[in-house]
Amino acid sequence: AIQMTQSPSSLSASVGDRVTITCRASQGIRNDLGWYQQKPGKAPKLLIYAASSLQSGVPSRFSGSGSGTDFTLTISSLQPEDFATYYCLQDYNYPPTFGPGTKVDIK
Amino acid sequence: QLQLQESGPGLVKPSETLSLTCTVSGGSISSSSYYWGWIRQPPGKGLEWIGSIYYSGSTYYNPSLKSRVTISVDTSKNQFSLKLSSVTAADTAVYYCARLPMTTVPGDDYWGQGTLVTVSS
Repeated sequence: AIQMTQSPSSLSASVGDRVTITCRASQGIRNDLGWYQQKPGKAPKLLIYAASSLQSGVPSRFSGSGSGTDFTLTISSLQPEDFATYYCLQDYNYPPTFGPGTKVDIK
Repeated sequence: QLQLQESGPGLVKPSETLSLTCTVSGGSISSSSYYWGWIRQPPGKGLEWIGSIYYSGSTYYNPSLKSRVTISVDTSKNQFSLKLSSVTAADTAVYYCARLPMTTVPGDDYWGQGTLVTVSS
């Protein structure tokens, strides 16, 4: 199975900060990658598909980039509602695999 | 608006079989480019893909669980189900059913609220 890693595993940031999360695949996955946000006690929510396309209804402060093995999720100006855990997901090969997550909390 | 709801026992004994059902309302289990799947999350940990079923009825399981997992669909009831056999404490998790778009396809994701299943005697 393709292994996904994320860095950092956690970060502390302030409202208004620019935040970047990295996801790396153990082999090339083209752009077969999505980003999900999960808040405590809630199901995940899709933010980005095809590595860089913004899901409908998701604020434009979220953006994704990358292709192949290296991907990033950027939040351009962190808002209070963005404090959550973020996961990447690949489905280039079955089974789909999630990254271990990056927890973004309040500084 | 599509809605998914998990149901099943919240407590399962070790070595027994975990059984969960996902009831879908507001739409049918018959769309291409989507996974109808089960995903779990142990307390305080990350997400693990268990398996999925496509609109065609084909099933695909995570190899790490394949020998213990069965996913089936009942289109007449608009439900799909998960069975996980020979459970241990390591199978304690919140189990989600979900309809997820393939990562390169635009589409909405829908999740159940999740159900905590504890494996304990």
